[in-house]
Amino acid sequence: DTAVSQTPKYLVTQMGNDKSIKCEQNLGHDTMYWYKQDSKKFLKIMFSYNNKELIINETVPNRFSPKSPDKAHLNLHINSLELGDSAVYFCASSQVPGQWGPVRTDTQYFGPGTRLTVL
Amino acid sequence: KNQVEQSPQSLIILEGKNCTLQCNYTVSPFSNLRWYKQDTGRGPVSLTIMTFSENTKSNGRYTATLDADTKQSSLHITASQLSDSASYICVVSADIDDMRFGAGTRLTVKP
Repeated sequence: DTAVSQTPKYLVTQMGNDKSIKCEQNLGHDTMYWYKQDSKKFLKIMFSYNNKELIINETVPNRFSPKSPDKAHLNLHINSLELGDSAVYFCASSQVPGQWGPVRTDTQYFGPGTRLTVL
Repeated sequence: KNQVEQSPQSLIILEGKNCTLQCNYTVSPFSNLRWYKQDTGRGPVSLTIMTFSENTKSNGRYTATLDADTKQSSLHITASQLSDSASYICVVSADIDDMRFGAGTRLTVKP
């Protein structure tokens, strides 16, 4: 009955490889997100996505790409992994009330995280 | 400089005691302020969300306050329990794609 799930929980890989992290939500939400939490525990949003709009944080390298096969899934694909990509990646979802706008009070539900280690 | 500053960085209290965590921000314009609880090795869990028109919101033993004029928020935890041990993260946003996260306060509740 997990609301937001991610796989794998741990991912260890070599520099230069391509990898994907999967995320699924069973809450019926229309918006999903990917966050990166670095070693200093700062969370930074990478992407927010619903079936109408993808918003990309401009600081995210284009080696990172979200892929959404359907409304309940938002996978994160990473090409040419680098050492600095090592972090914990969190998926989240929320139900956005009405139009996207300046006043947002939707609750985000986070997944358990995927710890990526690039060697 | 981070636009969301939290204090203290870490805090240790005895079980049953109250505590208050602080969040000061410079994010502008302001849409909402959120407090999250993050247990070690887990994803953040939302505690409260406040817009500029709200100055207090409670969720069980957690009470958040917001002063939009001074750009300060606090999270008060009443009658702390061992399970309150976690990081508490303040998030201020102008919009969903402009969320600024604080570094968090690491709370340890000891028996």
